[in-house]
Amino acid sequence: NAGVTQTPKFQVLKTGQSMTLQCAQDMNHNSMYWYRQDPGMGLRLIYYSASEGTTDKGEVPNGYNVSRLNKREFSLRLESAAPSQTSVYFCATRRDTAYEQYFGPGTRLTVT
Amino acid sequence: GQQVMQIPQYQHVQEGEDFTTYCNSSTTLSNIQWYKQRPGGHPVFLIQLVKSGEVKKQKRLTFQFGEAKKNSSLHITATQTTDVGTYFCAGPVGGGYNKLIFGAGTRLAVHP
Repeated sequence: NAGVTQTPKFQVLKTGQSMTLQCAQDMNHNSMYWYRQDPGMGLRLIYYSASEGTTDKGEVPNGYNVSRLNKREFSLRLESAAPSQTSVYFCATRRDTAYEQYFGPGTRLTVT
Repeated sequence: GQQVMQIPQYQHVQEGEDFTTYCNSSTTLSNIQWYKQRPGGHPVFLIQLVKSGEVKKQKRLTFQFGEAKKNSSLHITATQTTDVGTYFCAGPVGGGYNKLIFGAGTRLAVHP
């Protein structure tokens, strides 16, 4: 079991470029999340999906879009990257009726 | 809005010394969770506390949930170099399972 996987591990973008971060899980969890982590600010929720076909905004959704392709996959898209989006991005999952979340290894994104 | 605050932001100790981090919520929580993130790694779930005044132990780690369910602490006895990392507390947003709000974390450095 791979758990939660994320691709790519590292990415450098120029301002204005677009890219999609991929997340996949084999835990059969319905809920999936995207967070960003910046120094001194903990983890902030960007978007989440409670089940296939549904997505909801979190605390910091501006500049991002998401797609819940199926139960396994949840992608995060930056349409026009900005330096303020330089961060480490984590995908997470949660099983129903439980609170704890399981995180992927992260994607370190730099926008120049 | 709902806030979760952690202190201290950073602490370094000599190996063998004790360490405590504190978490305070602006609202009453139904439960609180603790996560550990090793340098360069991803957050890993440690424990969940649910009951008022609850105390749980995991080897040298002691977790406590306050009587008012608005604060929590993590105490490590006789730190080891393997304890290095950032410790986050997190509580549910509103009353549901869907979203967590994380504290900014306490980064622990242990000097041998």
